[in-house]
Amino acid sequence: ILNVEQSPQSLHVQEGDSTNFTCSFPSSNFYALHWYRWETAKSPEALFVMTLNGDEKKKGRISATLNTKEGYSYLYIKGSQPEDSATYLCASTRAGNNRKLIWGLGTSLAVNP
Amino acid sequence: GAVVSQHPSWVICKSGTSVKIECRSLDFQATTMFWYRQFPKQSLMLMATSNEGSKATYEQGVEKDKFLINHASLTLSTLTVTSAHPEDSSFYICSAAALTSGRAYTQYFGPGTRLTVL
Repeated sequence: ILNVEQSPQSLHVQEGDSTNFTCSFPSSNFYALHWYRWETAKSPEALFVMTLNGDEKKKGRISATLNTKEGYSYLYIKGSQPEDSATYLCASTRAGNNRKLIWGLGTSLAVNP
Repeated sequence: GAVVSQHPSWVICKSGTSVKIECRSLDFQATTMFWYRQFPKQSLMLMATSNEGSKATYEQGVEKDKFLINHASLTLSTLTVTSAHPEDSSFYICSAAALTSGRAYTQYFGPGTRLTVL
């Protein structure tokens, strides 16, 4: 994998459903993996940054895992709420330029009440 | 913490004029800031990396004479769109990098600037 890829591109769920998204990234020269939430008319908000294989992070109902050997990360949302509706972006950084984010195109989540 | 402001939030200008956009980190110092552009229905496109006290690093295809970047202090970077034309109309958003999680830098984003060139 040369680029950061996210799936699915979009997702519609009902309030209360749990859901998850996938981010695939180049595993060579990996440095860090970031997840952001971008709500309409707002700035992207940093959710998690993970650096080590097997890392797991949690923030309320949202959690993320990291597999650096195979180059993927999962973002989980438990009990989705309408306010979770947003685009979820992942981005990786590579050794040698650890401040520059390589962005995926995002997963657009819509939670129906 | 980690608040980034951007000014103006929107601007309308005539073709041929120059527009300056400011990006400030309000509660932390950022040696590195980034300027992005978002095209409709697309993700963020990195334009350039702004380094305090040195020249900016531009991404391939971004004209450095067109998009002037100055990072004169640890809390302020500016992007000047020179001789703006309608095709420069876009949403411009900046971010400032702060060290988090021990070794990784997190980018904190400003609210963006909507530029419309008539």
